[in-house]
Amino acid sequence: NAGVMQNPRHLVRRRGQEARLRCSPVKGHSHVYWYRQLPEEGLKFMVYLQKENIIDESGMPKERFSAEFPKEGPSILRIQQVVRGDSAAYFCASSPHKDTEAFFGQGTRLTVV
Amino acid sequence: SQQGEEDPQALSIQEGENATMNCSYKTSINNLQWYRQNSGRGLVHLILIRSNEREKHSGRLRVTLDTSKKSSSLLITASRAADTASYFCATTNAGNMLTFGGGTRLMVKP
Repeated sequence: NAGVMQNPRHLVRRRGQEARLRCSPVKGHSHVYWYRQLPEEGLKFMVYLQKENIIDESGMPKERFSAEFPKEGPSILRIQQVVRGDSAAYFCASSPHKDTEAFFGQGTRLTVV
Repeated sequence: SQQGEEDPQALSIQEGENATMNCSYKTSINNLQWYRQNSGRGLVHLILIRSNEREKHSGRLRVTLDTSKKSSSLLITASRAADTASYFCATTNAGNMLTFGGGTRLMVKP
């Protein structure tokens, strides 16, 4: 069984470009979470999706950031017009039901130059 | 804003000693979970304790939950160098959002 797969593992973007981060949840999992982590810090919640629906996006900046989890295909976290402050590790997690353990991907490390 | 706050932020012990990490949270929860993260890697789930449970064990791990004090503790007994990692508590609430604290960085010296 494949775990949560995130790609790319590393992504370098110039300021102003777009970053698209992909997350394939564990097969059968319908709950997806995205988190951002700066070095030596905890995980900051960004958005929680449940198949085609955004349940909670309170942690995601309203401008430049968007997320989706389509019926078919991976969940996508999209950052438009990236700035240096967007540089971080972005982790995706999935779970089969609410209130159960979450399985994490290895993260995408975004560097904005 | 972060729901959980771990204490201490950093802990250094000798192999064989026990390590205790604490987590406090602010609002009512459905469950509380502990995760481990090795440097630069994804998080690995360790243990989940529900709001109606007070204590749970898994191997060398023991977790307690005190909902009246809104706190939890993670005890790792007979620590090993391989336990060196960051440990995070996370809570789920009625909205089912999984929210993490800032973590405790544990160093176990051989």
